Amino acid sequence: QVQLQQWGAGLLKPSETLSLTCVVSGASFSGYYWTWIRQSPGKGLEWIGEINHSGSTNYNPSLKSRVTMSVDTSKNQFSLKLSSVTAADTAVYYCARRIDYWGQGTLVTVSS
Amino acid sequence: EIVLTQSPGTLSLSPGGRATLSCRASQSVSNSYLAWLQQKPGQAPRLLIYGASSRAAGIPDRFSGSGSGTDFTLTISRLEPEDFAVYYCQQYATSPITFGQGTRLEIK
Repeated sequence: QVQLQQWGAGLLKPSETLSLTCVVSGASFSGYYWTWIRQSPGKGLEWIGEINHSGSTNYNPSLKSRVTMSVDTSKNQFSLKLSSVTAADTAVYYCARRIDYWGQGTLVTVSS
Repeated sequence: EIVLTQSPGTLSLSPGGRATLSCRASQSVSNSYLAWLQQKPGQAPRLLIYGASSRAAGIPDRFSGSGSGTDFTLTISRLEPEDFAVYYCQQYATSPITFGQGTRLEIK
């Protein structure tokens, strides 16, 4: 079955860069958009952006200036970098296959 | 961007009852690219419905979706104890993908 496993640093200081990676198993990496979504504590879901196997990206305009996504098809992995983080970026970050399969989530806390 | 508004914010019902959740879009969702997700505490969201009315794999048939354009509905017939959770609608027709603010379904 399709599984997404994600990892990355969980505690950052303001102005640092958030970095997360997600590896996909049980599914072809091609033909899909691979997505990052976040959920602030007690709040709803926010789409960060997506990338496909060829590296084509779509980013949320509200975060576009700070977001970089990349893909490594040889490892069935895709990654997220979010620069210049602040306390407002504290959230659980999820990777997902567009809408249907989700990673387990990573809590990222930004605190000095 | 397409804004999705869900109602009600909280729905209190008893097991065995019927739940009707609404999702209204600020503009038409093309191709009915509207999904419904369920989220339980401490868990990632789970896809229930895609394409407004198609059940995802393994989803019981007590969950059904309907609607088109700007108005969509998720219906849960015969509520089971495990159905009490937060439900989100999501449109994936237009970038940026957006989510509703959620409806909390709680036990009455």
